[in-house]
Amino acid sequence: ILNVEQSPQSLHVQEGDSTNFTCSFPSSNFYALHWYRWETAKSPEALFVMTLNGDEKKKGRISATLNTKEGYSYLYIKGSQPEDSATYLCAVNSGGYQKVTFGTGTKLQVIP
Amino acid sequence: SQTIHQWPATLVQPVGSPLSLECTVEGTSNPNLYWYRQAAGRGLQLLFYSVGIGQISSEVPQNLSASRPQDRQFILSSKKLLLSDSGFYLCAWSPALGSYNEQFFGPGTRLTVL
Repeated sequence: ILNVEQSPQSLHVQEGDSTNFTCSFPSSNFYALHWYRWETAKSPEALFVMTLNGDEKKKGRISATLNTKEGYSYLYIKGSQPEDSATYLCAVNSGGYQKVTFGTGTKLQVIP
Repeated sequence: SQTIHQWPATLVQPVGSPLSLECTVEGTSNPNLYWYRQAAGRGLQLLFYSVGIGQISSEVPQNLSASRPQDRQFILSSKKLLLSDSGFYLCAWSPALGSYNEQFFGPGTRLTVL
């Protein structure tokens, strides 16, 4: 069973603060890593998919990096806004192509 | 464009009753299909996935089963629900090729077993 860990479990930040959280995974047999954003009462939506060591992706104020050799990815949010409040899920493809393993998520609350 | 439907949105069932949750995908062919569950305070757990009609892979032993009677239809069932089956159930699909298995999720079903 692939173990994907995310930290912290939850955090509260003030509007305008920047923040980041971590996804850790086994580096062997790595194929791809996904970040999803899950707002309350909605479905998870894909933010990024990353495959190569050193990959960096950016979408607006949100960016992510990937280190496949040491088995971690960081998600950064610059200048957090209340609408960024959501649970951020990391998911990893490893070995078998057809499935991914999700972490437990980081729940972000941005306080106005 | 592709869309994914799930129903019902919410369900309250007594212990020991049967279950049937349905998921359908439109706008794509031969998708990979998935059932996930989020139990209270926990992450998304993969229950079943399917890469084609009649092909089901089970990830965890449990009293649930899945079937794929048509290419874009995925059904989650139980003959007798347990209290521990309560949770939020998500159906998802991914393209068969070329997307690194990016998941597209349905709206989910909130199941409460009493």
